[in-house]
Amino acid sequence: QVLLQQWGAGLLKPSETLSLTCAVNGGSFSGYFWTWIRQFPGKGLQWIGNINHRGNSDYDPSLKSRVTISVDTSKNHFSLELNSVTAADTAVYYCARDIYCSGGRCSVGIGFDPWGQGTLVTVSS
Amino acid sequence: DIQMTQSPSSLSASVGDRVTITCRPSQSISNYLSWYQQKPGKAPRLLIDAASSLQSGVPSRFSGSGSGTDFTLTISSLQSEDFATYYCQQSYTTPPTFGGGTKVEIK
Repeated sequence: QVLLQQWGAGLLKPSETLSLTCAVNGGSFSGYFWTWIRQFPGKGLQWIGNINHRGNSDYDPSLKSRVTISVDTSKNHFSLELNSVTAADTAVYYCARDIYCSGGRCSVGIGFDPWGQGTLVTVSS
Repeated sequence: DIQMTQSPSSLSASVGDRVTITCRPSQSISNYLSWYQQKPGKAPRLLIDAASSLQSGVPSRFSGSGSGTDFTLTISSLQSEDFATYYCQQSYTTPPTFGGGTKVEIK
């Protein structure tokens, strides 16, 4: 059974950098894409971006200039950095498992599963 | 980005009721549609993907149908543990996008 455990700072000041890490325990790390999603206080969900074990990443265009997702395959970890945060970045941030790719083919159309427990990040001066 | 419109945004129902939630993407997404259940303070839980593929461990009272631009999540007989918020999500194009949610409350 795959379990995702995430951590990182929960209170930031405007202009600081958000930094979160997600550890993947159990199951395979390679072959999958791993994703970050956030949920705003009004409950809307936004996909932030994803990465695979080779470091191939993709980001939501609206966040691309501020986001970096990285991977540490030695620890089965992946991380999120979002710089120049503002109050609008206040949200619960989740990590989750994304699609599986092998031999150039991917399991498209599947959902995000499992998810980490979530980290509330509040941006306030 | 593909906009996902869920309806209703909330509903009140009783245990045993049949509940139907609709999700309409702004363009055709084939069957690249997932449904999630979220309870307060918890992460979303994947119920169904590929529009109708029930995930392991999810009760059979949940079902999904549809393709293109019209999708439905049905709970055949609502149970007390089903009171939650439900979200649809498309994975047809990047970025993946979510519906606004449907809160299922106790009548």
